[in-house]
Amino acid sequence: DAKTTQPPSMDCAEGRAANLPCNHSTISGNEYVYWYRQIHSQGPQYIIHGLKNNETNEMASLIITEDRKSSTLILPHATLRDTAVYYCIVRVESDKIIFGKGTRLHILP
Amino acid sequence: DTEVTQTPKHLVMGMTNKKSLKCEQHMGHRAMYWYKQKAKKPPELMFVYSYEKLSINESVPSRFSPECPNSSLLNLHLHALQPEDSALYLCASSASLLLYEQYFGPGTRLTVT
Repeated sequence: DAKTTQPPSMDCAEGRAANLPCNHSTISGNEYVYWYRQIHSQGPQYIIHGLKNNETNEMASLIITEDRKSSTLILPHATLRDTAVYYCIVRVESDKIIFGKGTRLHILP
Repeated sequence: DTEVTQTPKHLVMGMTNKKSLKCEQHMGHRAMYWYKQKAKKPPELMFVYSYEKLSINESVPSRFSPECPNSSLLNLHLHALQPEDSALYLCASSASLLLYEQYFGPGTRLTVT
């Protein structure tokens, strides 16, 4: 079973930052937080992952709370192409990816 | 090249047919995966190959038969499928078994009639 809780859907205005929350209150010390997204009719796409520290790459930023029980994925300037289902996944690096239900993000023009 | 390719894109088959799905990657990845995704549901893991050997079978029915002929290719042979097997079949690869990020192909949309 997925170890994360995400809101089923969110809206964000185009050009604004999209902040997607994820709760993972039972996370273990050696489990990473991964984010993938799936644009309609495409395969999932890796976005970012982190363990304790905040992470940033060309796609997004990942903010992990100090107690590691929740995290937020930030898309700094959302575009219509960011409309997708976003999956937050908690896993030990050597473990399987188990997708939860994800958050359906709608970017509004 | 960070692409995983899958063929065909769409497949319609009868319950008595035999067909195969093909997946290919040229990233030098040594782990490859098959996932099944039903409409409006998240992907579910089916099989994992590492160094061309089957590492994980998630209790998948024997009418699905995976094959990894070499490190770049992954096949899924289909035989005597049921209508409920209709789904999007996704292939993925990663540099090493279960480590690192997985790169997914676009999937094959399978319809069983």
